[in-house]
Amino acid sequence: GAVVSQHPSRVICKSGTSVKIECRSLDFQATTMFWYRQFPKKSLMLMATSNEGSKATYEQGVEKDKFLINHASLTLSTLTVTSAHPEDSSFYICSATRDAMNTEAFFGQGTRLTVV
Amino acid sequence: GQNIDQPTEMTATEGAIVQINCTYQTSGFNGLFWYQQHAGEAPTFLSYNVLDGLEEKGRFSSFLSRSKGYSYLLLKELQMKDSASYLCAVRGNTDKLIFGTGTRLQVFP
Repeated sequence: GAVVSQHPSRVICKSGTSVKIECRSLDFQATTMFWYRQFPKKSLMLMATSNEGSKATYEQGVEKDKFLINHASLTLSTLTVTSAHPEDSSFYICSATRDAMNTEAFFGQGTRLTVV
Repeated sequence: GQNIDQPTEMTATEGAIVQINCTYQTSGFNGLFWYQQHAGEAPTFLSYNVLDGLEEKGRFSSFLSRSKGYSYLLLKELQMKDSASYLCAVRGNTDKLIFGTGTRLQVFP
């Protein structure tokens, strides 16, 4: 099956710093990638839809200036958490689909972000 | 608005059968997915339904009724390793998946 690689798997950063998370589709071109956030014992909350070559579409309530998304190529999307605060600590997961008709979303391994 | 509901928690015994229900109200419908997620890990794909009826895959089966906005995931011959969260997700008018609240299943010996 298709593979989506997410890096890093864990990161600890100081308050006020920025953290970049990468999501790569390893064996297919992903026109669209999705970024989710998950709090402990909760389900996945869609943050934004990342489209190659255009601006990301953010869900209601998600700050676009705080969570910067760049989808520079068909195999790479990045999420940058800017000026991180402890409340940004969470599990961030990306997913990718081959195309709009694909029946499966492939997920990255997730990134555990801890802001201290 | 969009709403996807699942029971929060369920328990079952090893070797038994368990049914996890999911009801949804979404803007459009282009498929319903079930994912399994172990703590601290990413979700893994279990099943996909776009037409009414039952899809069987080994010990797992998934059912869909579009007119009722209802699906269930059936797990047979439960094993301890099936203890996990089970996520129902719906693809609406766009290709993004909206996830339900998730059901934490605990299997006891």
